[in-house]
Amino acid sequence: KQEVTQIPAALSVPEGENLVLNCSFTDSAIYNLQWFRQDPGKGLTSLLLIQSSQREQTSGRLNASLDKSSGRSTLYIAASQPGDSATYLCAVKQGGSEKLVFGKGMKLTVNP
Amino acid sequence: DTEVTQTPKHLVMGMTNKKSLKCEQHMGHRAMYWYKQKAKKPPELMFVYSYEKLSINESVPSRFSPECPNSSLLNLHLHALQPEDSALYLCASSQARGYPGLAGGANTGELFFGEGSRLTVL
Repeated sequence: KQEVTQIPAALSVPEGENLVLNCSFTDSAIYNLQWFRQDPGKGLTSLLLIQSSQREQTSGRLNASLDKSSGRSTLYIAASQPGDSATYLCAVKQGGSEKLVFGKGMKLTVNP
Repeated sequence: DTEVTQTPKHLVMGMTNKKSLKCEQHMGHRAMYWYKQKAKKPPELMFVYSYEKLSINESVPSRFSPECPNSSLLNLHLHALQPEDSALYLCASSQARGYPGLAGGANTGELFFGEGSRLTVL
């Protein structure tokens, strides 16, 4: 059974710092890995998707990497801003299934 | 257009009421999902429809009844709910396995979520 872990559960940083968010998963037979952002009471916004054959994806100040063999992904946020404050969720889709398995998320607070 | 639209945004119902949540997407996706999310928890999968057929039911109680009338619409019918069913209900869509990607590209299987329907059961 796939398990996805995000540590730490919460992080508070001053504005301007470069951040690394970690995600680990137990079963390397994944189809893709997706990073989401969720603001309080809102839906999930897709940030980056990495397919199983890819090593990284970039969008603006965000960069996500994937190391399937070690079961790890990282989301790098450059020059953090207060507007980046949200909960960040990592999720993996298994090969052969439409099911997306989520980590418990990491609540990020960026202080001005 | 990468939008998934959910209605209503808020719903308050009694335990004897019958109501429905609705979800619509026009991205040509053939997989649609219902998730339930409690406060400070990750989303929990309830149902998956693939090519308009129910492919995953995560042992959800029968008081929740999904329906996929066509490839763009997904409903969740609610009846005789309990107060503990109060939560944010999220709909999502993605391209289904075996379906070609856009403009000849790969089918990435990326999920797109709606803003959710906040349900309160009294």
